[in-house]
Amino acid sequence: DAKTTQPTSMDCAEGRAANLPCNHSTISGNEYVYWYRQIHSQGPQYIIHGLKNNETNEMASLIITEDRKSSTLILPHATLRDTAVYYCIVRVVRTGNQFYFGTGTSLTVIP
Amino acid sequence: DSGVTQTPKHLITATGQRVTLRCSPRSGDLSVYWYQQSLDQGLQFLIQYYNGEERAKGNILERFSAQQFPDLHSELNLSSLELGDSALYFCASSGGLANTGELFFGEGSRLTVL
Repeated sequence: DAKTTQPTSMDCAEGRAANLPCNHSTISGNEYVYWYRQIHSQGPQYIIHGLKNNETNEMASLIITEDRKSSTLILPHATLRDTAVYYCIVRVVRTGNQFYFGTGTSLTVIP
Repeated sequence: DSGVTQTPKHLITATGQRVTLRCSPRSGDLSVYWYQQSLDQGLQFLIQYYNGEERAKGNILERFSAQQFPDLHSELNLSSLELGDSALYFCASSGGLANTGELFFGEGSRLTVL
């Protein structure tokens, strides 16, 4: 699976959009981009995933560049409860292929 | 609530001992995954089971073993414990063999080895 690069940490003002970037320049055509988050030592929580089209759900939006070498997770109106570590994972969907979590981005939402 | 149940939530034991962590997956999920997260570290994939059979192995030590039972619950056995085994151990489940997108994680078992 392709490697991802994320900033170590970011701050965002409460109520503003949080834009979390992820670089995956070696992504291949059949690899999906997934986002999970982990709120202080709790179990990680699935947020969203996509292949090449932009995706939106009740939690967030995922914007994938046309060349698929990078993506951005957008939390439209960040709240204090969104303070967490956000993981960007690139993965081929096949039997036995796992989710390998890197170090992620530690997002702090500031009041 | 993810629907994945892990017990015990906290466990304190001594070096050299053996412990068993238990995981009940979401109803209907056939796959179970185990992850280890040491202090301020990322999640390390240990092992996956699907419908009772081992499907994938990650960085799991030989002192560790796991199994998935016919009722689909899983146990992770940690033996000859060392100080460095202190960590959060997460179980996750998913429905399909190929796992299309979502892993549902339990709240973890925090193991402290003294």
